Amino acid sequence: DIVMTQSPDSLAVSLGERATINCKSSQSLLSTSNNKYSLVWYQQRPGQPPKLLIYGASTRESGVPDRFSGSGSGTDFTLTISSLQAEDAAVYYCQHHSSVPWTFGQGTKVEI
Amino acid sequence: EVELVESGGGLAQPGGSLRLSCAGSGFTFSANWMQWVRQVPGKGLVWVSRINGDGSDTSYADSVKGRFTISRDNAKNTLYLQMNSLRAEDTAVYYCATSRSGRFDHWGQGALVTVSS
Repeated sequence: DIVMTQSPDSLAVSLGERATINCKSSQSLLSTSNNKYSLVWYQQRPGQPPKLLIYGASTRESGVPDRFSGSGSGTDFTLTISSLQAEDAAVYYCQHHSSVPWTFGQGTKVEI
Repeated sequence: EVELVESGGGLAQPGGSLRLSCAGSGFTFSANWMQWVRQVPGKGLVWVSRINGDGSDTSYADSVKGRFTISRDNAKNTLYLQMNSLRAEDTAVYYCATSRSGRFDHWGQGALVTVSS
């Protein structure tokens, strides 16, 4: 199984500042069939289901603010929130869909 | 607007059974892969199972293989998860989700399953 490891487990960021979350996979997530990365980011606010933010490592889902961006390649990926807003306080998860079982990182809690 | 509504959660005894349902609306249900993901309150997300649009292709996490069965009724726009031989470690909130190209793009609000004597 592919293991997804996020860092840090939590971080505190001031309003308007940048937040950076890292996700490392135990195997490359590059799909040879379409040359895209099988890496997704979700946001989960307290008491809510997860919300899709980023797919293909760097493509923002429709309606997601452009302060959210994803980057990375191979086994190392990053979610960046460029200017933190109050509503961004949440837990963020990365997930791979390279092969079954699809697995998630352990989550990173972002606090204001 | 896409809506997914889970039902069927509750309290079950160890070794018992429960069946979760997930009613979908606002999209072409039969065209979508569907997933179950669970989350122990306060903990992370764990993928449980998936099923393709016509129900012919299913996969399971090792932790539930042989005990849980995913199925769907496209005429009723409903996804199911039959959970047998339940264990305390199956206690979690169970989410259903639609998926496209591996990404879970719409999620239900979740159903709490508690396994306890």
